[in-house]
Amino acid sequence: DAKTTQPPSMDCAEGRAANLPCNHSTISGNEYVYWYRQIHSQGPQYIIHGLKNNETNEMASLIITEDRKSSTLILPHATLRDTAVYYCIVRAIIQGAQKLVFGQGTRLTINP
Amino acid sequence: KAGVTQTPRYLIKTRGQQVTLSCSPISGHRSVSWYQQTPGQGLQFLFEYFSETQRNKGNFPGRFSGRQFSNSRSEMNVSTLELGDSALYLCASSFGTGINEQFFGPGTRLTVL
Repeated sequence: DAKTTQPPSMDCAEGRAANLPCNHSTISGNEYVYWYRQIHSQGPQYIIHGLKNNETNEMASLIITEDRKSSTLILPHATLRDTAVYYCIVRAIIQGAQKLVFGQGTRLTINP
Repeated sequence: KAGVTQTPRYLIKTRGQQVTLSCSPISGHRSVSWYQQTPGQGLQFLFEYFSETQRNKGNFPGRFSGRQFSNSRSEMNVSTLELGDSALYLCASSFGTGINEQFFGPGTRLTVL
């Protein structure tokens, strides 16, 4: 699985959009980009994933650059409950394999 | 639909003992993965089970083992506990094939004294 690089921490004001970057310059053609978050003392929570097209769901949007070497997770209207560690993961979808390789993530703090 | 449940939530053991942790996946999910989370090493993959078979294993010593039952429930066992085994042990379930997000349980907090 390709390695990812994320800033260790970020701050964002409540109500503003939070944009979390992730670099994955060694990503290969069959690897997807996944985002999870972990709120203090809870298990990680799935947010979104994508291959090459931008994706949106009720939680967030995922923007993947055309060369797929980086991506951005966007929380459109951040709330205090979005304070968490956000993990960007790239992984190949091999039939049946469910292993996730977590990096250190970005600690996002939403300020009132 | 009920989420992933893990028991016990908290556990205190002493060095040299063994421990068994339990995970019940979301109904219909056939894949169960286990992860260890420590402040120093972060989240690390332990192993994954699907249809009672281990199909993926992380880089952990043989003291860490697991199994899955026919109802997809899974247990992991750690023998001869060491202080460094103190961690949050997380279980995740998924449907099991192809592109599937994993749903994590709340974890079991193991403290080894």
